[in-house]
Amino acid sequence: GEDVEQSLFLSVREGDSSVINCTYTDSSSTYLYWYKQEPGAGLQLLTYIFSNMDMKQDQRLTVLLNKKDKHLSLRIADTQTGDSAIYFCAERAAKNSGGYQKVTFGTGTKLQVIP
Amino acid sequence: GAGVSQSPSNKVTEKGKDVELRCDPISGHTALYWYRQRLGQGLEFLIYFQGNSAPDKSGLPSDRFSAERTGESVSTLTIQRTQQEDSAVYLCASRTSGGSYEQYFGPGTRLTVT
Repeated sequence: GEDVEQSLFLSVREGDSSVINCTYTDSSSTYLYWYKQEPGAGLQLLTYIFSNMDMKQDQRLTVLLNKKDKHLSLRIADTQTGDSAIYFCAERAAKNSGGYQKVTFGTGTKLQVIP
Repeated sequence: GAGVSQSPSNKVTEKGKDVELRCDPISGHTALYWYRQRLGQGLEFLIYFQGNSAPDKSGLPSDRFSAERTGESVSTLTIQRTQQEDSAVYLCASRTSGGSYEQYFGPGTRLTVT
């Protein structure tokens, strides 16, 4: 079955860059996502990348995809205290035999930004 | 516009009681998901509804868990004979069909079984 793995914790100083990594196992993944969860809130989509892309940049966010190694990363430039949250990687597989397109989430990486 | 809403926001119940959690998706969203998030853990897929198709129930952990959705409207997740291990935040998400398949999440219902 599908599996998405992330490291559990990352601590960075304010102003530095943060790099959050994710590995996945499903080679049929079509879309890969990064979601942000602030304390007490639901998840919010930050950005996504289609599987035929290598990189996507959106303001302070850069997503890198290595499809050969099934490795996804999220780089946050000039990390701010407001970036402190849990970041979830997720992948959407191709349709299964039942016609469903399940999205599998990783365990989340807690980012702590030290002022 | 209105986002995904869930009720109640918090629910404390005694072991063995039944609970019903509600999700109001964004209007027009054809797909709806339920997830469970235990403390300090990632999201665990429970069930997925897509329009009037049969739901994907492959993530439901036991027959004590069930969910319903009528058409593209409200969904309810029911947990019968609750156990302490059911304590978690239950998240609902909805999305449109096609495009990037972005899911819009509700704030969740925190369930505590005592």
